[in-house]
Amino acid sequence: SAVISQKPSRDICQRGTSLTIQCQVDSQVTMMFWYRQQPGQSLTLIATANQGSEATYESGFVIDKFPISRPNLTFSTLTVSNMSPEDSSIYLCSVRNPGMNEQFFGPGTRLTVL
Amino acid sequence: ILNVEQSPQSLHVQEGDSTNFTCSFPSSNFYALHWYRWETAKSPEALFVMTLNGDEKKKGRISATLNTKEGYSYLYIKGSQPEDSATYLCALTGANNLFFGTGTRLTVIP
Repeated sequence: SAVISQKPSRDICQRGTSLTIQCQVDSQVTMMFWYRQQPGQSLTLIATANQGSEATYESGFVIDKFPISRPNLTFSTLTVSNMSPEDSSIYLCSVRNPGMNEQFFGPGTRLTVL
Repeated sequence: ILNVEQSPQSLHVQEGDSTNFTCSFPSSNFYALHWYRWETAKSPEALFVMTLNGDEKKKGRISATLNTKEGYSYLYIKGSQPEDSATYLCALTGANNLFFGTGTRLTVIP
């Protein structure tokens, strides 16, 4: 298993500002993902964070809005840019190694945009 | 996109009662189904990963069954305890992604 921590655990932000969320894993992992859960909705994949290259974004998500960094195999950041109230969600980091069925999640960052 | 549906959306049970909820999914191109328990402010905890039709898995008082031909999985909790209160998520493995249902929020009343 993998132990994943996220910072911050929660934040309240003003419209138009940006927030960077950090994800730290206690072991090297190949695959790292960012999800969000909007109120009343399913957990939805935003992007796959690729080490040393640009993230791979899912339909409906773009790099300008959600820039992602992955400098090594244990760390990634997700920035929520130019926030609006619709960005209020729980953002979760997740990891998996190839060939393994189990996928592990961080505790999430609860973001409220006013 | 894989459509994963969970029911009920929420339920309240008395301590000691047994309960179950449902996850429905498209039966074609099935690879694996995951159950998670998610308590507020904690990481979603992986309960089961199920891959074979007819599979039944058990972890303490919690068990799950899988029917890939008809596209559903049941999660059972026997003798519910207040610490079982959480949101239970079902997810289907797609191409390099997990597709989640909206979850079933369980509240166990002491």
